[in-house]
Amino acid sequence: GQNIDQPTEMTATEGAIVQINCTYQTSGFNGLFWYQQHAGEAPTFLSYNVLDGLEEKGRFSSFLSRSKGYSYLLLKELQMKDSASYLCAVRVGYSTLTFGKGTMLLVSP
Amino acid sequence: DADVTQTPRNRITKTGKRIMLECSQTKGHDRMYWYRQDPGLGLRLIYYSFDVKDINKGEISDGYSVSRQAQAKFSLSLESAIPNQTALYFCATSDVSTTSTDTQYFGPGTRLTVL
Repeated sequence: GQNIDQPTEMTATEGAIVQINCTYQTSGFNGLFWYQQHAGEAPTFLSYNVLDGLEEKGRFSSFLSRSKGYSYLLLKELQMKDSASYLCAVRVGYSTLTFGKGTMLLVSP
Repeated sequence: DADVTQTPRNRITKTGKRIMLECSQTKGHDRMYWYRQDPGLGLRLIYYSFDVKDINKGEISDGYSVSRQAQAKFSLSLESAIPNQTALYFCATSDVSTTSTDTQYFGPGTRLTVL
């Protein structure tokens, strides 16, 4: 089986930087995805990592260390609209995704 | 126009009723998925289909069935609905071409309540 852990909730201030961690235990790892989900809406794709290192996309960056089974999503210059749930998902082989339970981020003024 | 659509968007039904949730996509993707989402439990995979003739059970398939009527259509049925099937249901699609990361793209969801 697979085990994916991420914090349940985080809070941060507008304009700040926040790092959301995700750890996983799995065999046959073949990629890690981050999704953003606003309450009651569909998850939307943010980033994909399959090799070690940092992927940057505007205010969002995602890091992967396969040897440590660890990833993080870094959000810079936080805005109120970034208040959402952030989902970490792992793919094994060429198969399906397994999702973590999500981290609810609350951005305050 | 939305690439992945789900109907209905909201549904209230009674215990024992049969209901069908439908998903259509215009993305041309071969792979389609059905998930349910419950508070505190995250997204869990119910069924998935990698092409029209392929149907696979996911983590929580009991009480559900699916039909892949065409590349663009994937339906989820609850033969006899029960209250613990109350949840938010999402359809997703992905493309496993050689240049694709097989990223999944989600429909807007169907909120189902079983009384």
